[in-house]
Amino acid sequence: QVQLVESGGGVVQPGRSLRLSCAASGFTFSSYGMHWVRQAPGKGLEWVAVIWYDGSNKYYADSVKGRFTISRDNSKNTLYLQMNSLRAEDTAVYYCARDLVEMATILSLTDYWGQGTLVTVSS
Amino acid sequence: DIQMTQSPSSVSASVGDRVTITCRASQGISSWLAWYQQKPGKAPKLLIYAASSLQSGVPSRFSGSGSGTDFTLTISSLQPEDFATYYCQQANSFPTFGGGTKVEIK
Repeated sequence: QVQLVESGGGVVQPGRSLRLSCAASGFTFSSYGMHWVRQAPGKGLEWVAVIWYDGSNKYYADSVKGRFTISRDNSKNTLYLQMNSLRAEDTAVYYCARDLVEMATILSLTDYWGQGTLVTVSS
Repeated sequence: DIQMTQSPSSVSASVGDRVTITCRASQGISSWLAWYQQKPGKAPKLLIYAASSLQSGVPSRFSGSGSGTDFTLTISSLQPEDFATYYCQQANSFPTFGGGTKVEIK
């Protein structure tokens, strides 16, 4: 069965960096685009970034553009989110999610989600 | 960015009730819309994709309709396990979510 397991969250000071990981199993990771979506405490869902199945395209929300970098290692079935220059407003549970469509070459909806990892930005 | 407006933001209903949630896009998104259910402390779960296609394993009491800018999620007969928050999402452009609708026990 499809499994996505995020890790790397924690408490970090404003301005510092953190890298999240998402380990995938139960499907052919290299055939699916992957997303990061976040949810601030008590708030709704906010899409953060997407990477194509082959890593050829990456897109970001304006709120994180220039600070966050999405990447993947298809040999390790792992998705990453490098978060730099963190701000208090980046505090959230970060979810990784799989594209609904295999080998999508357009923006796609998502089907499976991980359980999330909490990032708290605080001094 | 395409804005997604959900209504109502919350609804109180009883087991067995029919519940309808609407989502309006700020511009046309064809049928590239999904509905998710989220329970406290859990990840969102896909219910409906492409506006009206039921995700595998999701009970048939859930249905979706609409195209263009106006979409609807209907729960035909609310069950105890359906009390949750529901979100719509579009992916016609950079993905955006609606603000959510909390379905509460009346």
